[in-house]
Amino acid sequence: GEDVEQSLFLSVREGDSSVINCTYTDSSSTYLYWYKQEPGAGLQLLTYIFSNMDMKQDQRLTVLLNKKDKHLSLRIADTQTGDSAIYFCAEIPIYNQGGKLIFGQGTELSVKP
Amino acid sequence: DVKVTQSSRYLVKRTGEKVFLECVQDMDHENMFWYRQDPGLGLRLIYFSYDVKMKEKGDIPEGYSVSREKKERFSLILESASTNQTSMYLCATRPGLAGGGELFFGEGSRLTVL
Repeated sequence: GEDVEQSLFLSVREGDSSVINCTYTDSSSTYLYWYKQEPGAGLQLLTYIFSNMDMKQDQRLTVLLNKKDKHLSLRIADTQTGDSAIYFCAEIPIYNQGGKLIFGQGTELSVKP
Repeated sequence: DVKVTQSSRYLVKRTGEKVFLECVQDMDHENMFWYRQDPGLGLRLIYFSYDVKMKEKGDIPEGYSVSREKKERFSLILESASTNQTSMYLCATRPGLAGGGELFFGEGSRLTVL
């Protein structure tokens, strides 16, 4: 079945790099996403990657995709206190009715000054 | 800017009460979704709708129903609230299936059932 797994917590010091990991089970997924949820708010799309790409970079964010291992990661360079949030990995399996997103449990990133 | 508005940020209800959660969007999006968010479980899809008067069950529809009489409004109904429905409820919209996976979320409605 469809499943997306993330670790629940990550703590880093300000200025360090953060790496948030995600594994998924459906190799047919065409899109993989990272969403960010700040305290008291809904989710916002942070970045996404097509399944035919290995890497995508956008300013401080780097997304790496290892299709063989079904592993997705989000690296945040020079992590700031404003990056403290919950980060969700999500996929759309190609056969999924209606293109529903399957979300992971969310990783709570805590950035200490 | 895309705007998804959930009418109630915080609600406290008693077991057995009927609860309405309202979601309104101003982007003319076809697809609307209701998720619940619980710590350690992520987001789980309750119901979604592709168009007016259309609805599809998500992964956890038991104990819930929905209504979409107008394109801009998608309501989640708890016919008889129970304590295990205490949760954060998130409404989301998307232009259509061709719009990829970007969902636009409301700020959430935190429901406590006593």
